[in-house]
Amino acid sequence: QSVLTQPPSASGTPGQRVTISCSGSSSNIGSNYVYWYQQLPGTAPKLLIYRNNQRPSGVPDRFSGSKSGTSASLAISGLRSEDEADYYCAAWDDSLSAFFGTGTKVTVL
Amino acid sequence: QLQLQESGPGLVKPSETLSLTCTVSGGSISSSSYYWGWIRQPPGKGLEWIGSIYYSGSTYYNPSLKSRVTISVDTSKNQFSLKLSSVTAADTAVYYCARQVVVPAATDYWGQGTLVTVSS
Repeated sequence: QSVLTQPPSASGTPGQRVTISCSGSSSNIGSNYVYWYQQLPGTAPKLLIYRNNQRPSGVPDRFSGSKSGTSASLAISGLRSEDEADYYCAAWDDSLSAFFGTGTKVTVL
Repeated sequence: QLQLQESGPGLVKPSETLSLTCTVSGGSISSSSYYWGWIRQPPGKGLEWIGSIYYSGSTYYNPSLKSRVTISVDTSKNQFSLKLSSVTAADTAVYYCARQVVVPAATDYWGQGTLVTVSS
């Protein structure tokens, strides 16, 4: 049902850079901010990136966000074992609805 | 530090109404610029926005659930609530209450979540 599409999985070895994409449309990503969440196993999601590329206090600068047109990306540089989690993008839509992405499971090899 | 805590039955029968309450502590639910929302996650699946209520009382609902959802606020108790009617097994999920900033997609505080199972 989600209108924001993410790859189901991504992986990398410690120290590598991993990028997760989030594809939407002109009514959501194309005209509104993108947010990213990290969900560790068995816990509530945590806000990782807001307004496309801003990090809340306490989020390491290894995490970065970007947006171009109707797509957005989350990059994790210097991958660490504790980064193994599910990651979700989210955006407001001009139809007055919020949408989450389909989610991406990041595995640290 | 703002905290949100969900409460309500963990088991609901099919066709009945699911009712959950979120108690907010460490801040006022009447603060301007915030939405108060509900998000759910079926076991092993992704996140789904259910709906949100603005501090002024305006509500926004997921179109796919709109006919069954009601979100309300009780400022005297610093609580907000979710009612989801005519539930089926597909409504089994962990339900999170949350605070959202500027738009309902921007959730900065989450409750710990509560599992609601729909079963007879």
